[in-house]
Amino acid sequence: SQQGEEDPQALSIQEGENATMNCSYKTSINNLQWYRQNSGRGLVHLILIRSNEREKHSGRLRVTLDTSKKSSSLLITASRAADTASYFCATPTVYSGGSNYKLTFGKGTLLTVNP
Amino acid sequence: GAGVSQTPSNKVTEKGKYVELRCDPISGHTALYWYRQSLGQGPEFLIYFQGTGAADDSGLPNDRFFAVRPEGSVSTLKIQRTERGDSAVYLCASSLADWGTEQFVLTFGAGSRLTVL
Repeated sequence: SQQGEEDPQALSIQEGENATMNCSYKTSINNLQWYRQNSGRGLVHLILIRSNEREKHSGRLRVTLDTSKKSSSLLITASRAADTASYFCATPTVYSGGSNYKLTFGKGTLLTVNP
Repeated sequence: GAGVSQTPSNKVTEKGKYVELRCDPISGHTALYWYRQSLGQGPEFLIYFQGTGAADDSGLPNDRFFAVRPEGSVSTLKIQRTERGDSAVYLCASSLADWGTEQFVLTFGAGSRLTVL
């Protein structure tokens, strides 16, 4: 089952512009992660934001989290052609009395940055 | 090793054949995950190991799929009587089990692309 859903499904911008992607999720979480995937192969972790944080920065990345709306956004500033990739949000499920843990991914946003 | 290693990177097989996909996680990572990703979709959870045991295999689509991790490191995903619908990229990921913070950051392998003809 899908916990997170990204929006938009696809985004095309020019180099130098900012890109914003959104993620909505359904159940309470203690953190949310964003991953990036190039060319349909392995995913790379970008950033993790905890539920008690509202905003977090890492280089040109800015992530926000609104737990009341169950949503997160990923902003990439001053985009580059090399930022072209699919971006996924991932939310954790902790279960079995806190002894098990898995991440559920959304369908992703395909970002194309044109030179 | 330095990263998560998956072999083979590409596998083409015929319908009905048996396939094994291997994952070698980062040394010391006790948590290991298998995901399946179809074109244009996000990774779909298949199974999660904590050590040697399958803590959650609820994502395995049917009994043709099975995974093992006998010594708590390398894992093998086994698919019997393959069907064309099994064609996908199979991703393996590993993680340290940080129960203190419950912040499991996954490191993924490059994936094994399975094509069933």
